[in-house]
Amino acid sequence: DAGVIQSPRHEVTEMGQEVTLRCKPISGHNSLFWYRQTMMRGLELLIYFNNNVPIDDSGMPEDRFSAKMPNASFSTLKIQPSEPRDSAVYFCASSSTGGEGYTFGSGTRLTVV
Amino acid sequence: DAKTTQPPSMDCAEGRAANLPCNHSTISGNEYVYWYRQIHSQGPQYIIHGLKNNETNEMASLIITEDRKSSTLILPHATLRDTAVYYCIVRPNSGGSNYKLTFGKGTLLTVNP
Repeated sequence: DAGVIQSPRHEVTEMGQEVTLRCKPISGHNSLFWYRQTMMRGLELLIYFNNNVPIDDSGMPEDRFSAKMPNASFSTLKIQPSEPRDSAVYFCASSSTGGEGYTFGSGTRLTVV
Repeated sequence: DAKTTQPPSMDCAEGRAANLPCNHSTISGNEYVYWYRQIHSQGPQYIIHGLKNNETNEMASLIITEDRKSSTLILPHATLRDTAVYYCIVRPNSGGSNYKLTFGKGTLLTVNP
């Protein structure tokens, strides 16, 4: 089991550019989560999918952020346009219903200059 | 969700037991206690969880007081690789928000040689 796979590991982009973060959850897991971590705010839940359907997107900061899960093995988090305050580490996690806990990916460190 | 209180930091000597406390005095009857840790530059890692009985796995032991208002995570023989931020989280096991893991600031455990 390769675990939750995120790409890219690092992304540096200029303000105003579109950024797309990718996540491949663990096969068989039916829940997927996107988190953001900053020094100031810690780990924040952005959005939660269950069986590929967005259930709770109340943590998405604003309309510049969007997330999709077209199938059970792939999800994207898009920021358009990006701003310097979006700089953070973005984590994807997956779990199975009734599972013991979430499995997190290694994260994508995003820097917007 | 019930809130948790953890000391911001702790030190432990290598090879000794690390005992990390967590206060969750407002925990509800259907809420589990979860522990995760985050090693520097990695995603959070699930450690253990419990409802009211003490639990043990290959990583750690979880001791929950009889009134469930506090718990202790025990790493029996801490190693340098256990240096990490440890998060104590309470989470309902049923209901609309049972998927949510809300991370606080956690305890930075430093294992010293």
